Amino acid sequence: GQQLNQSPQSMFIQEGEDVSMNCTSSSIFNTWLWYKQDPGEGPVLLIALYKAGELTSNGRLTAQFGITRKDSFLNISASIPSDVGIYFCAGPLGGMRFGAGTRLTVKP
Amino acid sequence: DTAVSQTPKYLVTQMGNDKSIKCEQNLGHDTMYWYKQDSKKFLKIMFSYNNKELIINETVPNRFSPKSPDKAHLNLHINSLELGDSAVYFCASSQGLIRIAGEVTDTQYFGPGTRLTVL
Repeated sequence: GQQLNQSPQSMFIQEGEDVSMNCTSSSIFNTWLWYKQDPGEGPVLLIALYKAGELTSNGRLTAQFGITRKDSFLNISASIPSDVGIYFCAGPLGGMRFGAGTRLTVKP
Repeated sequence: DTAVSQTPKYLVTQMGNDKSIKCEQNLGHDTMYWYKQDSKKFLKIMFSYNNKELIINETVPNRFSPKSPDKAHLNLHINSLELGDSAVYFCASSQGLIRIAGEVTDTQYFGPGTRLTVL
């Protein structure tokens, strides 16, 4: 069954707005990964987090590894149309597990 | 150069047929994976190979048989295709398995996917 709960399922925002999505689990994770999937492509790694409490940025993206090790969030600041896609959280739990994805739509 | 490549990109076939999807990576990675993404975009790991040896085999029907002729290739053969096999299949590779606190973790590079449609 689904072991990573990702929310929201989808977001419709205006260009320039900030975006926040998160992932929670009842299990403890030692790594949190955030991927983005563009339409018709495979997922691409955005940010990897390896330590509880870690806050990591990659351009306009910021992700944090929750202190309880059971959650993580991803923020995107000043969204642009090319941010459109599906964002997945992932972590190892007897093999890599993926959240159900957050589908982001950005209106110009 | 494409890091992880899959062929074909699209595959349309009749129920009951046997088909194969090929995957190659030129990253020098030791580990390769197959994932299935359903119509709701849920990504589920199917298999993982490390240095040509099977290390993860999720609950997948035995009609699915992965084959790794060398560590740069991981092919997926599917027998007796069923309607429910329709999905996008992604190959991925990673540098290797790193254990942190007993859990295997690393970052994976995905191929472009193969969209399989079973009619």
